[in-house]
Amino acid sequence: DVKVTQSSRYLVKRTGEKVFLECVQDMDHENMFWYRQDPGLGLRLIYFSYDVKMKEKGDIPEGYSVSREKKERFSLILESASTNQTSMYLCASRGLAGVAYNEQFFGPGTRLTVL
Amino acid sequence: AQKVTQAQTEISVVEKEDVTLDCVYETRDTTYYLFWYKQPPSGELVFLIRRNSFDEQNEISGRYSWNFQKSTSSFNFTITASQVVDSAVYFCALSEGRGAQKLVFGQGTRLTINP
Repeated sequence: DVKVTQSSRYLVKRTGEKVFLECVQDMDHENMFWYRQDPGLGLRLIYFSYDVKMKEKGDIPEGYSVSREKKERFSLILESASTNQTSMYLCASRGLAGVAYNEQFFGPGTRLTVL
Repeated sequence: AQKVTQAQTEISVVEKEDVTLDCVYETRDTTYYLFWYKQPPSGELVFLIRRNSFDEQNEISGRYSWNFQKSTSSFNFTITASQVVDSAVYFCALSEGRGAQKLVFGQGTRLTINP
């Protein structure tokens, strides 16, 4: 079974802090994604990565950056956390082998609160 | 631009009732994919089904069934004889059929099954 893990389930940070959210997948998937989930808005894509060292902005990249130095790990960075970044953050991965389109597999999420 | 609308924010039914979750999508692509995900209280999104735009066959999996109609741009999800364990937030999502194949999610429908 595919396993996507996220470093923390709950995180509380102060405004202005630099925050790292880590995501690791164990299935050698090429693609990885970071979403944020807010009530009434569903999931919105922040950044995604085609493969190692490759990244592309999603729909709401402002205030975030990412890093993918190894295939299994995709980090989301909040350079200077703000209260409007309080949200649930979900990581996902997807492999490209086999069928023409593969579904994304999601981690359990990190609920981040910025005070 | 692609868009997914789940007009039902919350649905509450009594156990054993049938319930249908609506999903309407917009896309200009001729090749695309539609998905349903379930998010139980634990937070992790669970993949339920994928459909491609060339396959309008309805699908049944146990108590779950999906009705895909291109004529109305809808991909509705029905749970027959609902159970308390079906309580979750359900998301419909759409992906383009080329490039990064990013997922666009609807707002989600919170389904509560009461005993």
